[in-house]
Amino acid sequence: DTEVTQTPKHLVMGMTNKKSLKCEQHMGHRAMYWYKQKAKKPPELMFVYSYEKLSINESVPSRFSPECPNSSLLNLHLHALQPEDSALYLCASSQTGGGEKLFFGSGTQLSVL
Amino acid sequence: DQQVKQNSPSLSVQEGRISILNCDYTNSMFDYFLWYKKYPAEGPTFLISISSIKDKNEDGRFTVFLNKSAKHLSLHIVPSQPGDSAVYFCAASVPTQGGSEKLVFGKGTKLTVNP
Repeated sequence: DTEVTQTPKHLVMGMTNKKSLKCEQHMGHRAMYWYKQKAKKPPELMFVYSYEKLSINESVPSRFSPECPNSSLLNLHLHALQPEDSALYLCASSQTGGGEKLFFGSGTQLSVL
Repeated sequence: DQQVKQNSPSLSVQEGRISILNCDYTNSMFDYFLWYKKYPAEGPTFLISISSIKDKNEDGRFTVFLNKSAKHLSLHIVPSQPGDSAVYFCAASVPTQGGSEKLVFGKGTKLTVNP
C-alpha cells in the first residue's frame, strides 16, 4: 500500500464554519506534512509532524490547527477561514532520514465562501 | 526569495523527441533534488530524484542531471510521449530537526507533448 488517502476530496465552507481535513497512510512513515497549493503556484509547506510531534510550523495563521493523533493519521482543523484560504490542501508522508521522497495524497480542494 | 527556480513556465515538444526541463537553485544546503509530475486537481507524483553527491540518475525514459557548481539540474525525457503532458515540479530537500524533510518546490513547467 503506497497510498496517502485524503478526505474529503472537495469542501465548501463559510467563513464561520469549523471543518476538518483528514489524511491517512499505512506505509509506516513517521513524517507527515501539510502543503497548500494555490492555482498555478507551487505547493507551499505548512506543517511537518515527525514521530507524531509538530516539528515545523511555517508561520501558518492560527485558524489552521494541525493534529496528529497517531503515526498513520493527520488532521487539519479549519476555523474562521478567509476566502483567500481557498486552495488545494495536500497531505504527504515520508520515511524519516535523508532525502526520502514524499508521497502525496490527491488533495482536498477547499473553497471558502 | 525563491530558492528553487524553474524559469520556463511551459514547454511544447513533439512525440518521440527529447523534453528537457530545467531547474536552478540557490541554497547550497539542499542535499536531495526531486522531480514531481502533477495533473490538475491531483497531488504531485514522484518521478525521479538525485542525491547532491551524484551528477546523474537514470530511470527508464527519465534522466536527471545535476551540476552542483552551476547549481543547476535538468530532467530529460526521451522519447517523449503524449501521456507525459503534465506540470513538472522541481523540488529540493533540506533535512530538518527530527528527521523529516523540508521540500521546497519550484513554480513548475507545463509540458505538452504533441502527437
